[in-house]
Amino acid sequence: AQSVTQPDARVTVSEGASLQLRCKYSYSGTPYLFWYVQYPRQGLQLLLKYYSGDPVVQGVNGFEAEFIKSNSSFHLRKASVHWSDSAVYFCAVSNSGGSNAKLTFGKGTKLSVKS
Amino acid sequence: AQTIHQWPVAEIKAVGSPLSLGCTIKGKSSPNLYWYWQATGGTLQQLFYSITVGQVESVVQLNLSASRPKDDQFILSTEKLLLSHSGFYLCAWSPDISYEQYFGPGTRLTVL
Repeated sequence: AQSVTQPDARVTVSEGASLQLRCKYSYSGTPYLFWYVQYPRQGLQLLLKYYSGDPVVQGVNGFEAEFIKSNSSFHLRKASVHWSDSAVYFCAVSNSGGSNAKLTFGKGTKLSVKS
Repeated sequence: AQTIHQWPVAEIKAVGSPLSLGCTIKGKSSPNLYWYWQATGGTLQQLFYSITVGQVESVVQLNLSASRPKDDQFILSTEKLLLSHSGFYLCAWSPDISYEQYFGPGTRLTVL
């Protein structure tokens, strides 16, 4: 079975500060990893994804994440946050691709950016 | 470009009443389709998936059912709502050989 742990339910940072949102996964096979963002009362938007290759992947709006296999982690980072980054961020792992891919989500981290 | 539309945007329903939520994908033929449920302030749970018209697989039983009457349409329904059905319902799609899923705007359901 696969699982995702996001240990921080809430994170507050000041505008312009750097950000790291933590994610650890558990999956016995090759993980396919994702970060999604959910703004209030909206659906989820894909920020970035990791399948293979360079362990540091770039996403939209200046976000990046690093896959560390030895630590089973896929932390999300941003060098300088903006107030508009305030949202809930979900880390997810997929068991496989194709027709019956199942995304398992973490519980999410609510990011608040103080101006 | 592909677009995903969900309807209605929000529903307020009484316990015991029927429900039908819809999802339509435009711009992509034969997508894989998924239904997710999100409790208020909670994580997402996959409910159903479909790889082709007429075929739906259940992942979690929540006294809900799903159907795929057309290639671009996915319907979530129940004949009798429970209080526990309240939450945010999200439809998602993925290309048939890809891994990421793309989500619709969601439907907020309140059961009273």
